Amino acid sequence: QKEVEQNSGPLSVPEGAIASLNCTYSDRGSQSFFWYRQYSGKSPELIMFIYSNGDKEDGRFTAQLNKASQYVSLLIRDSQPSDSATYLCAVSHASGGSYIPTFGRGTSLIVHP
Amino acid sequence: DAEITQSPRHKITETGRQVTLACHQTWNHNNMFWYRQDLGHGLRLIHYSYGVQDTNKGEVSDGYSVSRSNTEDLPLTLESAASSQTSVYFCASSGNRNTEAFFGQGTRLTVV
Repeated sequence: QKEVEQNSGPLSVPEGAIASLNCTYSDRGSQSFFWYRQYSGKSPELIMFIYSNGDKEDGRFTAQLNKASQYVSLLIRDSQPSDSATYLCAVSHASGGSYIPTFGRGTSLIVHP
Repeated sequence: DAEITQSPRHKITETGRQVTLACHQTWNHNNMFWYRQDLGHGLRLIHYSYGVQDTNKGEVSDGYSVSRSNTEDLPLTLESAASSQTSVYFCASSGNRNTEAFFGQGTRLTVV
């Protein structure tokens, strides 16, 4: 069973702070790592993807990957109330010539003014 | 613009009835997935398909079936609906490269 673990939260941060979201995965053969944001009652939407060890930055978001520790994180700088949502970590592994994304349960983030 | 659409958006059905949820994508993606999302469980994979005539079981496939007769559509059928299948169902698709999955708007299914 390929597992993706996240702290369900809620993680509460003040506006303007850095929010740090973490994810661990069990399959060492995993190849791609994604962070999705899901607002209540809506479908998940992609924020970041990362394939290689290290950091990847996109605006206020930074994804960090450490394959040796099987650990992925998402940092949100200058957090805004509009960032309040559930963040889903997804890990993709190869199967039958294609790739299957496995999702964590999500971390609820609350950014308070 | 390419998109992935699900229908219906909301459905109430009775225990024991057969229900089919539709999923249609215009991305021309080979890979399509069905997930269910329940409080405390996150997104769990029901079935997936890598292309026409290909279907595979996911971790929670009991009581569900899919068929893939063309690239665009992957309907999900509940053979005999049970209250335990009350959930929000998401369809997703992705390309052959190891890229992101795009999600439909979701179908909220209630089995009474």
